[in-house]
Amino acid sequence: NAGVTQTPKFQVLKTGQSMTLQCAQDMNHNSMYWYRQDPGMGLRLIYYSASEGTTDKGEVPNGYNVSRLNKREFSLRLESAAPSQTSVYFCASSESTGRMSVGYTFGSGTRLTVV
Amino acid sequence: DQQVKQNSPSLSVQEGRISILNCDYTNSMFDYFLWYKKYPAEGPTFLISISSIKDKNEDGRFTVFLNKSAKHLSLHIVPSQPGDSAVYFCAASPWAGTASKLTFGTGTRLQVTL
Repeated sequence: NAGVTQTPKFQVLKTGQSMTLQCAQDMNHNSMYWYRQDPGMGLRLIYYSASEGTTDKGEVPNGYNVSRLNKREFSLRLESAAPSQTSVYFCASSESTGRMSVGYTFGSGTRLTVV
Repeated sequence: DQQVKQNSPSLSVQEGRISILNCDYTNSMFDYFLWYKKYPAEGPTFLISISSIKDKNEDGRFTVFLNKSAKHLSLHIVPSQPGDSAVYFCAASPWAGTASKLTFGTGTRLQVTL
C-alpha cells in the first residue's frame, strides 16, 4: 500500500548510544517531517524538509540531525541518546503545492526508549 | 507557549449521541485547521479540514466548525460509533504553501460507549 514507512518500529537504546530512524514515502511528496509525541504534549515538530536537498529546524531540534537522502527518504539521527528523547517518533509527508485540505500522511511511528 | 489547545484530555459519549471536541488557538496567522484521528500503535490519520475563509465543513458524520473571532474550532461527530473511540488531535497551519508546518494540540481521547 502507498504511504509512509518507518523503521524500526521499536528500539531501546542506552544513554549515549546513537541511532538513525528511517522514513520513506512512495507518494511522490516533496515535503517530509519528523514529529515526536509525548504524553500531554501532542505532536511537536523536530525537523522538516520542504523539498529534496533542504532541511530546517522545527520546534524541538536539539539533540537531533536529519538527512534528506533523496525525494523518498528522510532520516532522523540521534547522535548521543538521552532519556529525555524517550518518545514516539512519527514521520510524515505532504504535497508542497498548498493542498493542506488533505494534510499530512503519517507513518505508524517508532517507539524509542532510552535507558 | 501552546498555540493550539485542547483543554479536554478525555470525553465519554454514548453510542448514537453527538460527540463534540473543542480546540482553541492563539496565533491569528493560522489559515488552515485540520483534525486527525489516532488509534493506539498507529500514526495519526487525516479526518477533516477547514480553511479560514469558511466557518463550516462537513464530511459524512463529521463536521468541523470554525469561529475565527473566538479563535475556536470544534469537531462534531453524529452519530458517534464505537469505532470512533480514539485520540483526536486538532492542528493548524499558518499558510498553505511549501512545507506548511502543522502545530498540533495535545489531543482529546474520545470513548464511545455502548
